[in-house]
Amino acid sequence: EAQVTQNPRYLITVTGKKLTVTCSQNMNHEYMSWYRQDPGLGLRQIYYSMNVEVTDKGDVPEGYKVSRKEKRNFPLILESPSPNQTSLYFCASSSISGANEQFFGPGTRLTVL
Amino acid sequence: QQPVQSPQAVILREGEDAVINCSSSKALYSVHWYRQKHGEAPVFLMILLKGGEQKGHEKISASFNEKKQQSSLYLTASQLSYSGTYFCGTYSGGSNYKLTFGKGTLLTVNP
Repeated sequence: EAQVTQNPRYLITVTGKKLTVTCSQNMNHEYMSWYRQDPGLGLRQIYYSMNVEVTDKGDVPEGYKVSRKEKRNFPLILESPSPNQTSLYFCASSSISGANEQFFGPGTRLTVL
Repeated sequence: QQPVQSPQAVILREGEDAVINCSSSKALYSVHWYRQKHGEAPVFLMILLKGGEQKGHEKISASFNEKKQQSSLYLTASQLSYSGTYFCGTYSGGSNYKLTFGKGTLLTVNP
């Protein structure tokens, strides 16, 4: 089954404790992206990747890091989480093109205390 | 810049129609529409491309006015399952394939 998986689905942590949210896709997509969703603000892009070892900032990259060492994986790293990073996070993937749908993972609900 | 969606929210009775609009200040190559149920992942509905091509999975209709940089999603004879938040995403072309989403339109369909 074609899918994007994320782990963990729920995470409660404390300020400053480094964490990683994993994202994996099995569709051989070149393009992967991370979004955060906050009430009333829609989906805002954090980082994206066009292919292995090619990443770039989205609209809200501060406080986040990513890496793309393998085509299927695109982890999101919070080196020192803060309460304002409490949010719902989605990973998505698609073929390279503005004409193809993005497939979203199930989401990770992160709470930073 | 985020595209602007209107209305922000709409309440319907089952069987009624609704139109959701998406407007951008930039020239667009494509407009994408997604629906999200509360707490779930957004689900693809449709892509409208410059030049008139459309790709979609459901029996939902939409329009794309390239000159006005606007798109509208038409929900006819609404069903309870249509409830959710609708997002448009716009792509202006270029090599980064960046999709920028609007803030969403909350649609509630009541019996």
